[in-house]
Amino acid sequence: GQNIDQPTEMTATEGAIVQINCTYQTSGFNGLFWYQQHAGEAPTFLSYNVLDGLEEKGRFSSFLSRSKGYSYLLLKELQMKDSASYLCAVSLDNFNKFYFGSGTKLNVKP
Amino acid sequence: GAVVSQHPSWVICKSGTSVKIECRSLDFQATTMFWYRQFPKQSLMLMATSNEGSKATYEQGVEKDKFLINHASLTLSTLTVTSAHPEDSSFYICSASPLTALQDNEQFFGPGTRLTVL
Repeated sequence: GQNIDQPTEMTATEGAIVQINCTYQTSGFNGLFWYQQHAGEAPTFLSYNVLDGLEEKGRFSSFLSRSKGYSYLLLKELQMKDSASYLCAVSLDNFNKFYFGSGTKLNVKP
Repeated sequence: GAVVSQHPSWVICKSGTSVKIECRSLDFQATTMFWYRQFPKQSLMLMATSNEGSKATYEQGVEKDKFLINHASLTLSTLTVTSAHPEDSSFYICSASPLTALQDNEQFFGPGTRLTVL
């Protein structure tokens, strides 16, 4: 089976920085995606890493270490609207299938 | 661009009936579509991979005779939950992978269909 682990829940303060970790052990690897999901809605794409290193997109950055099977999503200048679940997904080699982690529910407090 | 729609957005049905959910890529052609199921407070679980013109590939533990998938064209895939039971109540989400992806493995998600079986 595929193992993709994330913390279940995190809390942070508006304006702060938060880092959400994801570790994975999968039978293949073609890339790692981060999605944001608000309750009752579909996931929306945040970032994609295929090579080691940091990808920055405005307030969001994502890091990947393939040798360590590790990624993190960094959210800066937190806003209340960032309260959501953040899903780490690994794309395997075959048929572009995604396997999702359990998701991390982020609560942003004033 | 890259919009995926699902219909219906929610459905309530009686136990034992069948329910069909449609997934459409509105402004692109999709070689592959995926179906996921999400129970409350849980993450997305991949159910099956649907390729246009061929049989779907199901994940381990997913009953192919219960969850019928038809991918009739490059813009439409359907999931039929046959003889639905209350335990099938869930949020069903599809995603589509464009023919000309901006980056490898890019997928676009539909808004989801909430199924409630009474």
